[in-house]
Amino acid sequence: SAVISQKPSRDICQRGTSLTIQCQVDSQVTMMFWYRQQPGQSLTLIATANQGSEATYESGFVIDKFPISRPNLTFSTLTVSNMSPEDSSIYLCSVEGTATLYGYTFGSGTRLTVV
Amino acid sequence: GDSVTQMEGPVTLSEEAFLTINCTYTATGYPSLFWYVQYPGEGLQLLLKATKADDKGSNKGFEATYRKETTSFHLEKGSVQVSDSAVYFCALRGSNSGYALNFGKGTSLLVTP
Repeated sequence: SAVISQKPSRDICQRGTSLTIQCQVDSQVTMMFWYRQQPGQSLTLIATANQGSEATYESGFVIDKFPISRPNLTFSTLTVSNMSPEDSSIYLCSVEGTATLYGYTFGSGTRLTVV
Repeated sequence: GDSVTQMEGPVTLSEEAFLTINCTYTATGYPSLFWYVQYPGEGLQLLLKATKADDKGSNKGFEATYRKETTSFHLEKGSVQVSDSAVYFCALRGSNSGYALNFGKGTSLLVTP
């Protein structure tokens, strides 16, 4: 299955600032997914990122707040903009493996604390 | 739309006890079903999966059977260990959720010696 390198692993940020999270995959994948896991909660899909097109956002998430880039088939970034304490969460990227049917792989996550 | 419901936690068991974590789903068509595990301080790992009705996924002593008639995918293990303490997530890949996974709320399991 694919191996994902996600960074930073954690950060503490001031409110009003922005943080960009990077995910690098060791193989080419068509779609990458970004999730948010709020403290003690499940994973919520933020958006699906396809290479060469605009990301598709889920209800409750907007591009101005969570801009996503997908410049090639192995890399994507998620930016959390104009942060507030409510944005404190773990953010994860994920891909669907090509070698293993439905073998979704997740990055190790970015633990974000906004103060 | 598609959704996953799993039993509330936390679940506390003694070592070697039998484990069942219930998971039911709502979906159109024929979804694929997954169990993921998140050990303390670690990322999500795929535990097992089943892609069609009556399939049984198994891994590390855990099992789950895809039951279309009851729309369920309950996770079981015959004898839990302290090292099984983690949060377990049931997830679905269905036609209404595109290609992303739709997760249940997670069930925290604590196994005591």
